[in-house]
Amino acid sequence: DSGVTQTPKHLITATGQRVTLRCSPRSGDLSVYWYQQSLDQGLQFLIQYYNGEERAKGNILERFSAQQFPDLHSELNLSSLELGDSALYFCASSPNPGETQYFGPGTRLLVL
Amino acid sequence: DAKTTQPPSMDCAEGRAANLPCNHSTISGNEYVYWYRQIHSQGPQYIIHGLKNNETNEMASLIITEDRKSSTLILPHATLRDTAVYYCIVSKEYGNKLVFGAGTILRVKS
Repeated sequence: DSGVTQTPKHLITATGQRVTLRCSPRSGDLSVYWYQQSLDQGLQFLIQYYNGEERAKGNILERFSAQQFPDLHSELNLSSLELGDSALYFCASSPNPGETQYFGPGTRLLVL
Repeated sequence: DAKTTQPPSMDCAEGRAANLPCNHSTISGNEYVYWYRQIHSQGPQYIIHGLKNNETNEMASLIITEDRKSSTLILPHATLRDTAVYYCIVSKEYGNKLVFGAGTILRVKS
C-alpha cells in the first residue's frame, strides 16, 4: 500500500459524458501527478500539480482538466468522453517535485 | 530525459536471482535511474533509484556502471509474486514526470 488513494476503482460511462476522478496523496506530499495507461499508448504523463499550482503538462487533451485543492487532494475531470478515453488512470504523489513518486491503485474507466 | 533500452522479456527460476539490465547511454550528470514495477494492472510500485553509487534496499539492489551508461536491477531471491513488468526510467533531478517505456516482462517460474 503506497498511501495514495484513488476513487472510484471502476467507472463505466457513455460517450459524451463527463466524469471526475479523485486522488488523495500520501500524508505530507505536496506534489500530485496524473498518468493515463491505455493498451496502445502505455503509461503516459498527463499533468502535475505542486501545492495547488499546475507545474507541468504532458499529453493532456483539452477535454481533460485537473486541479489540486487546499487540502492537497486532486481531481481529474474528463469531459465529452470518447471510446478511446477508456484506460487506467493513475495518480502519484511525491513530497516535492522531482522526488520519488508513489502511485495509487488507479481508476479503470470504461467508455461505452 | 534520456532514453532507456530494456529487453522485452526475461524468465527466472523461483529462488534464483533475477538480473534485469537497462541501457541508458545518453544519461546526463543530473539524471537519476529509477526502477518501478507493475504487477498486472496495479499501480506502478517504486523499487529503487540511484545516481552514481550502487544502492540496496529491502526489495532489490541497483548496480550502476562507472560510466553510468547502463544499470542492472537485482532481485536476490525471486518469487512467483515478482512476476511483473519492470520499468527502468531516467529522470532529471527536480524533474516533473516519469517517462515509461515498454519495460521488461519478468516471468518467475517454479
